[in-house]
Amino acid sequence: NAGVTQTPKFRILKIGQSMTLQCTQDMNHNYMYWYRQDPGMGLKLIYYSVGAGITDKGEVPNGYNVSRSTTEDFPLRLELAAPSQTSVYFCASRVDRHSYNEQFFGPGTRLTVL
Amino acid sequence: AQSVSQHNHHVILSEAASLELGCNYSYGGTVNLFWYVQYPGQHLQLLLKYFSGDPLVKGIKGFEAEFIKSKFSFNLRKPSVQWSDTAEYFCAVILSGGGADGLTFGKGTHLIIQP
Repeated sequence: NAGVTQTPKFRILKIGQSMTLQCTQDMNHNYMYWYRQDPGMGLKLIYYSVGAGITDKGEVPNGYNVSRSTTEDFPLRLELAAPSQTSVYFCASRVDRHSYNEQFFGPGTRLTVL
Repeated sequence: AQSVSQHNHHVILSEAASLELGCNYSYGGTVNLFWYVQYPGQHLQLLLKYFSGDPLVKGIKGFEAEFIKSKFSFNLRKPSVQWSDTAEYFCAVILSGGGADGLTFGKGTHLIIQP
Protein backbone atom coordinates (compact mmCIF):
# COMPACT_ATOMS: atom_id res chain seq x y z
CA ASN A 1 0.00 0.00 0.00
CA ALA A 2 1.15 3.51 -0.81
CA GLY A 3 -0.89 4.87 2.10
CA VAL A 4 -1.84 8.53 1.75
CA THR A 5 -0.33 10.34 -1.20
CA GLN A 6 -0.44 14.05 -1.98
CA THR A 7 0.42 16.10 -5.04
CA PRO A 8 2.08 18.43 -5.70
CA LYS A 9 4.90 18.48 -3.12
CA PHE A 10 5.59 22.17 -3.65
CA ARG A 11 3.73 25.00 -5.33
CA ILE A 12 4.08 28.76 -5.64
CA LEU A 13 0.94 30.71 -6.44
CA LYS A 14 0.29 34.34 -7.17
CA ILE A 15 -2.39 36.17 -5.21
CA GLY A 16 -5.80 35.47 -6.72
CA GLN A 17 -4.82 32.27 -8.52
CA SER A 18 -6.60 29.02 -7.83
CA MET A 19 -5.37 25.47 -7.45
CA THR A 20 -6.36 22.03 -6.26
CA LEU A 21 -4.32 20.00 -3.83
CA GLN A 22 -4.76 16.31 -4.51
CA CYS A 23 -5.04 13.60 -1.85
CA THR A 24 -5.49 9.89 -2.44
CA GLN A 25 -5.50 6.96 -0.05
CA ASP A 26 -5.46 3.29 -0.96
CA MET A 27 -6.40 1.86 2.45
CA ASN A 28 -10.17 2.00 1.88
CA HIS A 29 -10.53 4.43 4.78
CA ASN A 30 -13.87 6.16 5.17
CA TYR A 31 -12.68 9.20 7.09
CA MET A 32 -10.41 11.77 5.51
CA TYR A 33 -9.06 15.10 6.74
CA TRP A 34 -7.26 18.20 5.58
CA TYR A 35 -4.99 20.07 7.98
CA ARG A 36 -2.74 23.06 7.57
CA GLN A 37 0.49 23.47 9.50
CA ASP A 38 1.86 26.92 10.12
CA PRO A 39 5.29 27.43 11.75
CA GLY A 40 5.08 27.18 15.52
CA MET A 41 1.31 26.68 15.39
CA GLY A 42 0.75 22.95 15.12
CA LEU A 43 -1.87 21.57 12.75
CA LYS A 44 -5.36 22.94 12.34
CA LEU A 45 -8.29 21.13 10.74
CA ILE A 46 -9.66 22.67 7.53
CA TYR A 47 -12.25 20.15 6.32
CA TYR A 48 -13.12 16.53 6.84
CA SER A 49 -15.20 13.80 5.21
CA VAL A 50 -16.83 10.67 6.59
CA GLY A 51 -17.42 9.07 3.23
CA ALA A 52 -18.09 9.69 -0.42
CA GLY A 53 -20.44 12.63 -0.87
CA ILE A 54 -20.21 13.81 2.75
CA THR A 55 -17.98 16.67 3.86
CA ASP A 56 -17.96 19.13 6.72
CA LYS A 57 -16.05 22.17 7.94
CA GLY A 58 -13.29 22.05 10.46
CA GLU A 59 -11.72 24.84 12.50
CA VAL A 60 -10.33 26.97 9.63
CA PRO A 61 -12.41 26.39 6.46
CA ASN A 62 -12.53 29.92 5.06
CA GLY A 63 -10.99 30.23 1.60
CA TYR A 64 -11.14 26.49 0.89
CA ASN A 65 -13.51 23.98 -0.64
CA VAL A 66 -13.51 20.20 -0.78
CA SER A 67 -15.31 17.39 -2.51
CA ARG A 68 -15.41 13.64 -2.00
CA SER A 69 -16.71 11.81 -5.03
CA THR A 70 -14.90 8.55 -4.27
CA THR A 71 -13.63 6.81 -1.17
CA GLU A 72 -10.04 7.20 -2.35
CA ASP A 73 -9.85 10.89 -3.26
CA PHE A 74 -10.32 14.04 -1.21
CA PRO A 75 -9.11 17.12 -3.12
CA LEU A 76 -8.78 20.54 -1.49
CA ARG A 77 -9.46 23.60 -3.62
CA LEU A 78 -8.20 27.14 -3.14
CA GLU A 79 -10.27 29.50 -5.27
CA LEU A 80 -8.59 32.89 -4.71
CA ALA A 81 -5.19 32.36 -3.16
CA ALA A 82 -4.12 34.80 -0.46
CA PRO A 83 -0.78 35.19 1.36
CA SER A 84 -2.47 33.97 4.55
CA GLN A 85 -2.84 30.57 2.87
CA THR A 86 0.91 30.10 2.70
CA SER A 87 1.32 26.93 4.71
CA VAL A 88 2.05 23.23 4.60
CA TYR A 89 -1.05 21.17 3.91
CA PHE A 90 -1.47 17.63 5.17
CA CYS A 91 -4.11 15.14 4.19
CA ALA A 92 -4.92 12.30 6.57
CA SER A 93 -7.21 9.31 6.70
CA ARG A 94 -8.68 7.07 9.37
CA VAL A 95 -10.29 3.70 8.87
CA ASP A 96 -13.59 4.31 10.66
CA ARG A 97 -15.53 6.30 13.23
CA HIS A 98 -13.59 5.12 16.28
CA SER A 99 -11.61 7.98 17.74
CA TYR A 100 -8.82 5.77 19.06
CA ASN A 101 -7.81 4.68 15.60
CA GLU A 102 -4.71 6.23 14.15
CA GLN A 103 -4.88 8.93 11.53
CA PHE A 104 -2.41 8.26 8.70
CA PHE A 105 -0.83 11.33 7.17
CA GLY A 106 0.39 12.11 3.70
CA PRO A 107 3.79 13.73 2.98
CA GLY A 108 2.34 17.23 2.70
CA THR A 109 2.15 20.02 0.13
CA ARG A 110 4.17 23.15 0.77
CA LEU A 111 2.29 26.12 -0.69
CA THR A 112 3.59 29.66 -0.99
CA VAL A 113 1.33 32.51 -2.09
CA LEU A 114 3.12 35.64 -3.27
CA ALA B 1 -12.56 25.79 24.12
CA GLN B 2 -10.65 22.59 23.60
CA SER B 3 -6.89 23.03 23.58
CA VAL B 4 -3.57 21.24 23.86
CA SER B 5 -0.49 22.83 25.38
CA GLN B 6 3.05 21.71 24.81
CA HIS B 7 5.30 23.50 27.23
CA ASN B 8 8.61 23.31 25.44
CA HIS B 9 8.81 24.68 21.92
CA HIS B 10 12.51 23.98 21.47
CA VAL B 11 14.58 21.41 23.32
CA ILE B 12 18.27 20.69 22.80
CA LEU B 13 19.81 17.61 24.38
CA SER B 14 22.99 15.61 24.09
CA GLU B 15 22.93 11.99 23.02
CA ALA B 16 22.14 9.56 25.87
CA ALA B 17 20.32 12.24 27.86
CA SER B 18 16.84 11.51 29.16
CA LEU B 19 13.87 13.20 27.56
CA GLU B 20 10.53 14.35 28.86
CA LEU B 21 8.19 16.49 26.76
CA GLY B 22 5.17 17.96 28.45
CA CYS B 23 1.62 17.90 27.12
CA ASN B 24 -1.50 19.18 28.87
CA TYR B 25 -4.97 19.26 27.43
CA SER B 26 -8.20 21.03 28.18
CA TYR B 27 -11.21 18.93 27.20
CA GLY B 28 -14.63 18.44 28.67
CA GLY B 29 -14.87 14.69 28.45
CA THR B 30 -13.11 11.39 27.98
CA VAL B 31 -10.28 11.64 25.51
CA ASN B 32 -7.94 9.62 23.39
CA LEU B 33 -4.37 10.90 23.29
CA PHE B 34 -1.64 10.62 20.69
CA TRP B 35 1.97 11.56 20.17
CA TYR B 36 3.08 12.03 16.57
CA VAL B 37 6.62 12.62 15.31
CA GLN B 38 7.70 14.46 12.18
CA TYR B 39 11.28 13.75 11.11
CA PRO B 40 12.91 16.38 8.88
CA GLY B 41 11.32 16.33 5.44
CA GLN B 42 8.90 13.53 6.31
CA HIS B 43 5.24 13.21 7.15
CA LEU B 44 3.76 12.74 10.60
CA GLN B 45 4.06 9.25 12.06
CA LEU B 46 2.37 7.84 15.13
CA LEU B 47 4.67 7.26 18.09
CA LEU B 48 2.09 6.00 20.55
CA LYS B 49 -1.47 6.44 21.72
CA TYR B 50 -3.64 6.05 24.77
CA PHE B 51 -7.30 5.10 24.66
CA SER B 52 -8.00 3.07 27.79
CA GLY B 53 -6.48 0.78 30.41
CA ASP B 54 -2.90 1.06 31.61
CA PRO B 55 -2.04 4.77 31.72
CA LEU B 56 1.59 4.01 30.87
CA VAL B 57 1.80 3.33 27.16
CA LYS B 58 4.80 2.22 25.19
CA GLY B 59 5.41 3.20 21.61
CA ILE B 60 7.94 2.74 18.89
CA LYS B 61 11.67 3.52 19.15
CA GLY B 62 11.76 3.29 22.93
CA PHE B 63 9.28 6.09 23.62
CA GLU B 64 6.66 5.91 26.34
CA ALA B 65 4.02 8.25 27.72
CA GLU B 66 2.01 8.42 30.91
CA PHE B 67 -1.60 9.57 31.04
CA ILE B 68 -2.37 11.31 34.34
CA LYS B 69 -6.06 12.05 34.28
CA SER B 70 -6.04 14.24 37.40
CA LYS B 71 -3.44 16.50 35.82
CA PHE B 72 -4.85 16.39 32.28
CA SER B 73 -1.38 15.44 31.15
CA PHE B 74 0.20 13.01 28.69
CA ASN B 75 3.96 13.54 28.87
CA LEU B 76 6.30 11.80 26.47
CA ARG B 77 9.50 10.20 27.78
CA LYS B 78 12.56 8.38 26.56
CA PRO B 79 15.34 7.28 28.90
CA SER B 80 18.21 7.77 26.45
CA VAL B 81 17.88 9.80 23.26
CA GLN B 82 19.78 9.27 20.04
CA TRP B 83 20.82 11.68 17.32
CA SER B 84 18.14 10.13 15.09
CA ASP B 85 15.45 11.37 17.49
CA THR B 86 15.93 14.90 16.14
CA ALA B 87 12.44 15.81 14.97
CA GLU B 88 9.27 17.76 15.69
CA TYR B 89 6.96 16.12 18.24
CA PHE B 90 3.24 16.78 18.41
CA CYS B 91 0.78 15.90 21.12
CA ALA B 92 -2.81 15.47 19.87
CA VAL B 93 -6.16 14.88 21.49
CA ILE B 94 -9.59 13.77 20.34
CA LEU B 95 -12.83 13.24 22.21
CA SER B 96 -13.32 9.56 22.83
CA GLY B 97 -16.10 7.83 20.99
CA GLY B 98 -17.48 7.50 17.54
CA GLY B 99 -17.13 10.83 15.91
CA ALA B 100 -15.71 12.37 12.80
CA ASP B 101 -13.76 15.05 14.64
CA GLY B 102 -10.24 15.72 13.65
CA LEU B 103 -7.37 15.77 16.07
CA THR B 104 -6.57 18.86 18.11
CA PHE B 105 -2.83 19.36 18.04
CA GLY B 106 -0.42 21.16 20.29
CA LYS B 107 2.01 23.61 18.72
CA GLY B 108 4.79 21.07 18.67
CA THR B 109 8.22 20.68 20.25
CA HIS B 110 11.29 20.92 18.08
CA LEU B 111 13.84 18.49 19.53
CA ILE B 112 17.49 18.68 18.53
CA ILE B 113 19.89 15.98 19.67
CA GLN B 114 23.54 16.92 19.57
CA PRO B 115 26.07 14.13 18.94
